[in-house]
Amino acid sequence: EPEVTQTPSHQVTQMGQEVILRCVPISNHLYFYWYRQILGQKVEFLVSFYNNEISEKSEIFDDQFSVERPDGSNFTLKIRSTKLEDSAMYFCASSDNPVGQETQYFGPGTRLLVL
Amino acid sequence: AQSVTQPDIHITVSEGASLELRCNYSYGATPYLFWYVQSPGQGLQLLLKYFSGDTLVQGIKGFEAEFKRSQSSFNLRKPSVHWSDAAEYFCAVVPRGGNKLTFGTGTQLKVEL
Repeated sequence: EPEVTQTPSHQVTQMGQEVILRCVPISNHLYFYWYRQILGQKVEFLVSFYNNEISEKSEIFDDQFSVERPDGSNFTLKIRSTKLEDSAMYFCASSDNPVGQETQYFGPGTRLLVL
Repeated sequence: AQSVTQPDIHITVSEGASLELRCNYSYGATPYLFWYVQSPGQGLQLLLKYFSGDTLVQGIKGFEAEFKRSQSSFNLRKPSVHWSDAAEYFCAVVPRGGNKLTFGTGTQLKVEL
């Protein structure tokens, strides 16, 4: 069964450093999402992406964050200058249709720790 | 305010016992409703979803959920729990016309052998 993959599984970085989290969505999907889960808290929506542009973003997704689909298979989340509060599990998801009833398929996540 | 609530943070059941995990939502119009499961080290896996029609929805791994409009609930059930069901379970919604998932806080299920 096709699946969403994410790399790395874990990343440790120093505050102020840039990080790039990578995702490979399911190959025929066109809609991509990033969510995050701070330890002990809810899974929160960050951003959705379609046709090489952001469809929707949450208030969490400020100027420090950016997303890109650099090569037709990867979907990346960049945090330009990490803060301690960016420590979280980051999940990528994809779907073949943006309509709410379509299933979003999630990757296993990248656990980011900012020191 | 729009919200989705899972009242139980932790639940422990014995293997073979029945299970019900609660989920309530507060939205003007009934949203699309989902249950996801997260096993340790794994991503979020969809168990089942409800959009319309029959209010009893069957999912994978023997799970089912019942939509009750009058109670704004979408509770997840399983008649007989297996040790491998130990995981965290998330109720999630997408408002009609939207496409971003809003998750509940999750319920951690522990299964005693």
